[in-house]
Amino acid sequence: DAEITQSPRHKITETGRQVTLACHQTWNHNNMFWYRQDLGHGLRLIHYSYGVQDTNKGEVSDGYSVSRSNTEDLPLTLESAASSQTSVYFCASSEIAGGSYNEQFFGPGTRLTVL
Amino acid sequence: TQLLEQSPQFLSIQEGENLTVYCNSSSVFSSLQWYRQEPGEGPVLLVTVVTGGEVKKLKRLTFQFGDARKDSSLHITAAQPGDTGLYLCAGASGSARQLTFGSGTQLTVLP
Repeated sequence: DAEITQSPRHKITETGRQVTLACHQTWNHNNMFWYRQDLGHGLRLIHYSYGVQDTNKGEVSDGYSVSRSNTEDLPLTLESAASSQTSVYFCASSEIAGGSYNEQFFGPGTRLTVL
Repeated sequence: TQLLEQSPQFLSIQEGENLTVYCNSSSVFSSLQWYRQEPGEGPVLLVTVVTGGEVKKLKRLTFQFGDARKDSSLHITAAQPGDTGLYLCAGASGSARQLTFGSGTQLTVLP
């Protein structure tokens, strides 16, 4: 069955370190998204990609970067981790459709703690 | 920036009670989705509504999209402990493929 996976599921790091969170989907979806989830804020969009070599900034992109070298993967990099980036991170994917109501399929999340 | 406000933020009720969760915005959305998220997992789509005034039912859950496509509601009849979870609304604008999520409603149904 097609799925979307994230790794690691839990990560503890120190302020200033570079951290990369992996996201891999086997749906063959062109659209991929990274969100962070904090209490009281729902899901906030960090970066998104509509296809290979395409990346776009979302609402809260400062301090984060992504790259899309193939359809399946969209790794999220925290260039220099800060305590404010402690959060739960979710990756999602969706297919291209004629309308604007594409279902997004979410991974299980990565809980990141920055000390 | 489009905002979606959900209310209430927290809701704790007894099994068998009815409840309504609201999702409101000052912006018009071309479609609106409702997701449910359980602890330790990612959100899962429940329903998508696309037409103003549309009503969709999923067993004991009734979803409505406002006539002006700026708001939506989720009504649960005879809530059960299995309904416990975080409910998120999410709106799409025009042909954009990204979603704007509400802040969520944490529902707890006590046996």
